[in-house]
Amino acid sequence: AIQMTQSPSSLSASVGDRVTITCRASQGIRNDLGWYQQKPGKAPKLLIYAASSLQSGVPSRFSGSGSGADFTLTISSLQPEDFATYYCLQDYNYPYTFGQGTKLEIK
Amino acid sequence: QVQLQQWGAGLLKPSETLSVTCIVYGGSFSDYNWNWIRQTPGKGLEWIGEINHSGSTNYNPSLKSRVTTSRDTSKNQFSLKLSSVTAADTAVYYCARGSKGLSMDVWGQGTTVTVSS
Repeated sequence: AIQMTQSPSSLSASVGDRVTITCRASQGIRNDLGWYQQKPGKAPKLLIYAASSLQSGVPSRFSGSGSGADFTLTISSLQPEDFATYYCLQDYNYPYTFGQGTKLEIK
Repeated sequence: QVQLQQWGAGLLKPSETLSVTCIVYGGSFSDYNWNWIRQTPGKGLEWIGEINHSGSTNYNPSLKSRVTTSRDTSKNQFSLKLSSVTAADTAVYYCARGSKGLSMDVWGQGTTVTVSS
């Protein structure tokens, strides 16, 4: 199975900060990667698909980049509602696998 | 707007079979792949398996011997069964719509399943 390694596992930041989260695959996965935001008690919400495509309805401060094995999620200017846990997901091949998550907390 | 609504028994005893069903409101049912994912505090998010647009199934090898997914296209529903559960299967179970290249874009609300004697 492809391993997805996210970093950092937690991050403290302030409103207005620019934040970057990375995800590294144990092998190349083309651009078959999604980024998700999850808040407590809720299902994950798709932010980015195909590594860099913004899901409909998601604010433009979210962006994704990368291809192959290295990917990043960037939030250009943190808003209060962005404090949550973020996950990457590869759907390049089976079994699909998630990163372990990055918890974004208020500084 | 597409919505997924899921339900299933919340409390099971060891060795019983977990069963969760998801119904799709809105959108096409036959054009997508239908996934099951679970989440535990210890192991995070784990993909369980899918039944795809043609009715074929794919499962996580870690659970394959115990998992069955099925669908009823006439009711826009799909289901998960996980046999011989143990405490390690205690988790929140999610259904989600998937499409190659578009990731999993719509999720159910989650079903909390606890396995305890």
